[in-house]
Amino acid sequence: EVQLMESGGGLVQSGGSLRLSCAGSGFTFSAYWMSWVRRAPGKGLEWVANIQRDGSEKTYVDSVKGRFTISRDNAKNSVYLQMDSLRVEDTAIYYCARCGKYCGGDSLWGQGTLVTVSS
Amino acid sequence: NFMLTQPHSVSESPGKTVTISCTRSSGGIASNFVQWYQQRPGSSPTTVIYENNQRFSGVPLRFSASIDSSSNSASLTISGLKTEDEADYYCQSYTGNNWVFGGGTKLTVL
Repeated sequence: EVQLMESGGGLVQSGGSLRLSCAGSGFTFSAYWMSWVRRAPGKGLEWVANIQRDGSEKTYVDSVKGRFTISRDNAKNSVYLQMDSLRVEDTAIYYCARCGKYCGGDSLWGQGTLVTVSS
Repeated sequence: NFMLTQPHSVSESPGKTVTISCTRSSGGIASNFVQWYQQRPGSSPTTVIYENNQRFSGVPLRFSASIDSSSNSASLTISGLKTEDEADYYCQSYTGNNWVFGGGTKLTVL
């Protein structure tokens, strides 16, 4: 089955760190850009970061630059989001998506993982 | 960076037609593809429309989209509304590799 499965969410204190993982299955993972998108409570969707097929190009939304790092391990069919210096406003459901600049005809979304940052 | 502006909410009755707009603040709407995503309560987002007007696999013909350079906007039209269409809808475009989302429109089908 073609799917993405996120893990690693949880409760963390402000200033803490968390590492999200997203495992792909059923498709050639290394052939696709991957992205992270989040939705905070009561807010809309916000793009967080994306990474090129071989990991050589990474782009971030301004609000997470210098705090979050996207990476991938194509041998493990996985993409990661290392989140440091977490803030209360980072509280959200984080989704990984098989998308580059946008989600096209071959896009795929994960089920999401909840990150809660307490003060 | 540009912004994408959507109405906060729209509502319509089952069987009717609704159109959700998405206006780009600067730069031409045709400069970059526009996508539309649906997110039902408690579910992940799904792709409805990509590359301005291409329906994602499995999306009913009731869903259509277009862009209009004269108003610098994109629109998503849903005809023959069903209760299952009740969801949040987001337009999205990009600059370079950076995504830009609209604020989202809550569609109520009542």
